[in-house]
Amino acid sequence: EVQLLQSGGGLVQRGGSLRLSCAASGFGFSGFAMNWVRQAPGKGLQWVSTISNSGGNTYYADSVKGRFTISRDNSRNTLFLQMNSLGAEDTAVYYCARVSSPLGSSAAGYWGQGTLVIVSS
Amino acid sequence: EIVMTQSPATLSVSPGERATLSCRASQSISSNLAWYQQKPGQAPRLLIYGASTRATGIPARFSGSGSGTEFTLTISSLQSEDFTVYYCQQYDNWPPLTFGGGTKVEIK
Repeated sequence: EVQLLQSGGGLVQRGGSLRLSCAASGFGFSGFAMNWVRQAPGKGLQWVSTISNSGGNTYYADSVKGRFTISRDNSRNTLFLQMNSLGAEDTAVYYCARVSSPLGSSAAGYWGQGTLVIVSS
Repeated sequence: EIVMTQSPATLSVSPGERATLSCRASQSISSNLAWYQQKPGQAPRLLIYGASTRATGIPARFSGSGSGTEFTLTISSLQSEDFTVYYCQQYDNWPPLTFGGGTKVEIK
């Protein structure tokens, strides 16, 4: 059974940093690209970042470029999102999601449970 | 950036009736479109990919159609558990991956 177990969310002050983790199990982690998607309170889904299966290709939404870093450790089957210089606009539930291709051009069939990040002023 | 526009924002339908949700892309995305269902407090669930292929375990009452810029999600006979929010997403021309704003299906 495919499982994505997220951790690392919480309350952080404006300008602070936070690192999210997503531990994968039940599939060959190194074979698939991974996404981070967020959802602000009461709002829709917003793509944040994608990393290819090898970690060699990374992509970011303009709103987080230069502040967030996506990475993965295929030996530990874990995906990360390092978030720096956090602002109120980053307050959201963050989801990790597995797509069905190595490079990212496909739908996300598996999602983590989500982790809430609250940025306080 | 490809803009995805969903309509209507809210759809009022009686249980057992058909629901038709629309999604329009600002430029052609071939068939590289997915539909997701999201219930309150839960992660999104993939319903349809490739515009018309049901994901594993998705009931046959869900169907997708369209290509290019116009897409439709049809729920043939609404069950109580289907009253929630639905999103479309394109993965043709990215980054960025883009989602529509969502359609809420409510009980009439």
